[in-house]
Amino acid sequence: AQSVTQLDSQVPVFEEAPVELRCNYSSSVSVYLFWYVQYPNQGLQLLLKYLSGSTLVKGINGFEAEFNKSQTSFHLRKPSVHISDTAEYFCAVSDLNTGGFKTIFGAGTRLFVKA
Amino acid sequence: GAVVSQHPSWVICKSGTSVKIECRSLDFQATTMFWYRQFPKQSLMLMATSNEGSKATYEQGVEKDKFLINHASLTLSTLTVTSAHPEDSSFYICSARESGAPYNEQFFGPGTRLTVL
Repeated sequence: AQSVTQLDSQVPVFEEAPVELRCNYSSSVSVYLFWYVQYPNQGLQLLLKYLSGSTLVKGINGFEAEFNKSQTSFHLRKPSVHISDTAEYFCAVSDLNTGGFKTIFGAGTRLFVKA
Repeated sequence: GAVVSQHPSWVICKSGTSVKIECRSLDFQATTMFWYRQFPKQSLMLMATSNEGSKATYEQGVEKDKFLINHASLTLSTLTVTSAHPEDSSFYICSARESGAPYNEQFFGPGTRLTVL
């Protein structure tokens, strides 16, 4: 069964520093990959998605992620973070073997941006 | 962009009562809607997949008689927590998949905080 591992439960970082949030998934077959952000007491907002094509995906709020099929990874990066980026970030995978209808979420990474 | 609403945003109820949560897609039709449960500082756990006009598909370990799901139209799905108990207290989030979308991009509602006393 498909699984998603977010390697860091918490990532503290200073404002304007770069950040990388790591995500690995278990299956090497065709998948769709997503990163979502969740602010306190809110639903999830899509940051970016990889469906096919270029392995470097750019999303909203200056985030980008790179799909690495050989390493089954989809790490999220931002070159310079802001205080407002403090939130919970979830990596998610839809496995095309299940018709792409079931999405599995990672445990989440709490990004805490310090002044 | 696609907007999904949930109502209520929060609810407090007594143990033994039933609570209904609504999930609406406001500007698109959603053949499929998903219901998730999220415990504090944890990820989303898929409870069930709701398809318009048919019975919901529940994930293993989720009691279908406890969590009743109805998806009567292309824009509305409801989750009813029957005979709620304190252990049902949680953050419930719905999402909707646009009809005909070629991939499973889901649009999420803002969530409903349920507290059972």
